[in-house]
Amino acid sequence: GNSVTQMEGPVTLSEEAFLTINCTYTATGYPSLFWYVQYPGEGLQLLLKATKADDKGSNKGFEATYRKETTSFHLEKGSVQVSDSAVYFCALSGGNNAGNMLTFGGGTRLMVKP
Amino acid sequence: GAVVSQHPSRVICKSGTSVKIECRSLDFQATTMFWYRQFPKKSLMLMATSNEGSKATYEQGVEKDKFLINHASLTLSTLTVTSAHPEDSSFYICSARGQGYNEQFFGPGTRLTVL
Repeated sequence: GNSVTQMEGPVTLSEEAFLTINCTYTATGYPSLFWYVQYPGEGLQLLLKATKADDKGSNKGFEATYRKETTSFHLEKGSVQVSDSAVYFCALSGGNNAGNMLTFGGGTRLMVKP
Repeated sequence: GAVVSQHPSRVICKSGTSVKIECRSLDFQATTMFWYRQFPKKSLMLMATSNEGSKATYEQGVEKDKFLINHASLTLSTLTVTSAHPEDSSFYICSARGQGYNEQFFGPGTRLTVL
């Protein structure tokens, strides 16, 4: 079945540092890939998505490129802010099985210090 | 964009009581709603999927008699935790998906604390 693996946190960075959160997936076919963000005490918000190979999703300075050859969807941001502190979840849906159900990675906590 | 609300946002109850959590899609018709459970510092675990007007499909290991799900209309699904115990304390999150759409829209979550 589908699975998502992302780097364990917490990731602690200083403001304006470069961010990478790794995410790799296992799925057959052509799944859609997502990054969700969860701020403290809140539900999940869709941050960005990509629906086919080589697509780049971007939002609020964050980017991720759907790499089918490496089955990866790493999240990057060139200059993080304190307000980016949150938990980030990589997820996928679709492919050859599991319909449109979302499969989540374990989440990565990001802490940005001023 | 599509908005999903949950009520209540926080609830504290005594052991043995039942608690109902509501999930509403505010500006679209949700043909499918999902209920997730999230343990502290952990990822989301899908509990069940409900389609409007039919019985919910529960994931393996989720007790359907304990977590009652009702999806009576295209804008409302409820999760009732029956005879709650401290181990049921958790963050419960719902999401909703409209007909013909792949994307799920998430509610803000409900934190349940059972004393």
